[in-house]
Amino acid sequence: NAGVTQTPKFQVLKTGQSMTLQCAQDMNHNSMYWYRQDPGMGLRLIYYSASEGTTDKGEVPNGYNVSRLNKREFSLRLESAAPSQTSVYFCASKERWFEATDTQYFGPGTRLTVL
Amino acid sequence: QQQVKQSPQSLIVQKGGISIINCAYENTAFDYFPWYQQFPGKGPALLIAIRPDVSEKKEGRFTISFNKSAKQFSLHIMDSQPGDSATYFCAASGNTGTASKLTFGTGTRLQVTL
Repeated sequence: NAGVTQTPKFQVLKTGQSMTLQCAQDMNHNSMYWYRQDPGMGLRLIYYSASEGTTDKGEVPNGYNVSRLNKREFSLRLESAAPSQTSVYFCASKERWFEATDTQYFGPGTRLTVL
Repeated sequence: QQQVKQSPQSLIVQKGGISIINCAYENTAFDYFPWYQQFPGKGPALLIAIRPDVSEKKEGRFTISFNKSAKQFSLHIMDSQPGDSATYFCAASGNTGTASKLTFGTGTRLQVTL
């Protein structure tokens, strides 16, 4: 099992450009999450999908959109990138949306720089 | 509003020493408290977790102490090793809204020196 995979690993964008970050999991998990990690800020939830067909905003959703393409894949789109979106982005998944004790498994991250 | 406060921001411990990281939470609806370990260039990974019905949980050299009345919990790393050098995040979770979500602390960068 590959677990949670993310593409690309690194990306540099110019202000105003758009891009989509891809995430896939092969653990048959129902819930998927997008976080951003910034120095001194910890991990902050951008959007999540409790189950296939549903998406909801997290703590910092502005400037982002998501698509739950199927049970395996959850993408994050930046429509018009801004320097404030320079960050490391992590995708995560867990088995059951309602069970707090289910472990969240994280991908390796995408390091995004917006110039 | 930061619902989980973590300290210290960074920590340097000698090999063999005890590393202690503290967290405090505000939301009494939280009922699951995991710690995640993150190595440079990698994603976080679950290290150990506790529910509030127990005051302590130990797994090898790692122990969580939990104080429900004070709304605080801490991670103790006994006999700290250079391989423990990483960033540690506390988190809290509860079934609020549409799904169970994790709220993370701001992280502690631990360096274990020889």
